[in-house]
Amino acid sequence: EDKVVQSPLSLVVHEGDTVTLNCSYEVTNFRSLLWYKQEKKAPTFLFMLTSSGIEKKSGRLSSILDKKELSSILNITATQTGDSAIYLCVIAQGAQKLVFGQGTRLTINP
Amino acid sequence: EAQVTQNPRYLITVTGKKLTVTCSQNMNHEYMSWYRQDPGLGLRQIYYSMNVEVTDKGDVPEGYKVSRKEKRNFPLILESPSPNQTSLYFCASSLGGGGPSTDTQYFGPGTRLTVL
Repeated sequence: EDKVVQSPLSLVVHEGDTVTLNCSYEVTNFRSLLWYKQEKKAPTFLFMLTSSGIEKKSGRLSSILDKKELSSILNITATQTGDSAIYLCVIAQGAQKLVFGQGTRLTINP
Repeated sequence: EAQVTQNPRYLITVTGKKLTVTCSQNMNHEYMSWYRQDPGLGLRQIYYSMNVEVTDKGDVPEGYKVSRKEKRNFPLILESPSPNQTSLYFCASSLGGGGPSTDTQYFGPGTRLTVL
């Protein structure tokens, strides 16, 4: 059975801290790994990773995929209260299907 | 403004009363998809469509129907809703038929459905 597991499920840190969110997967027909941020409502796209070892960066956020270990991490440096959200790890499979992780609920306290 | 719209945003209905949730995108996207989000279960894909008249089942298609007669619209139909279909529903679209594995996926604002 295809599955995506995120850890931790919940994380509370102080503003300014650096956090690392983890995602591991076991799926068939892997095509890409996606990270989304979900605040109050709809998820918004962060990164798409297809190649192992190539870091993607956007401001204070960065992510990397390890296809050998079947995992990915999402790093957020110098966290701000606006980073508080649920972060979703998603695997896109060859047939345009998606498998979602449970999400990591990140809370940044001022 | 480029966007995915859903209607209604909130709906309370009763068991067995047929309903349709509409989804429309103005970005000329080929791929569209429906998801439901439930506490503890996360997001799950219901149906997706790679282009007009091309639809396929996701992980939880039971109790739902979809159609894709035009590129911009992808309605979700519940022929006989039941309480276990109470959920938050998202429609999403992405540019090419390859879907979110190759192109950024944009989500609609969500429809919160309650079936009594």
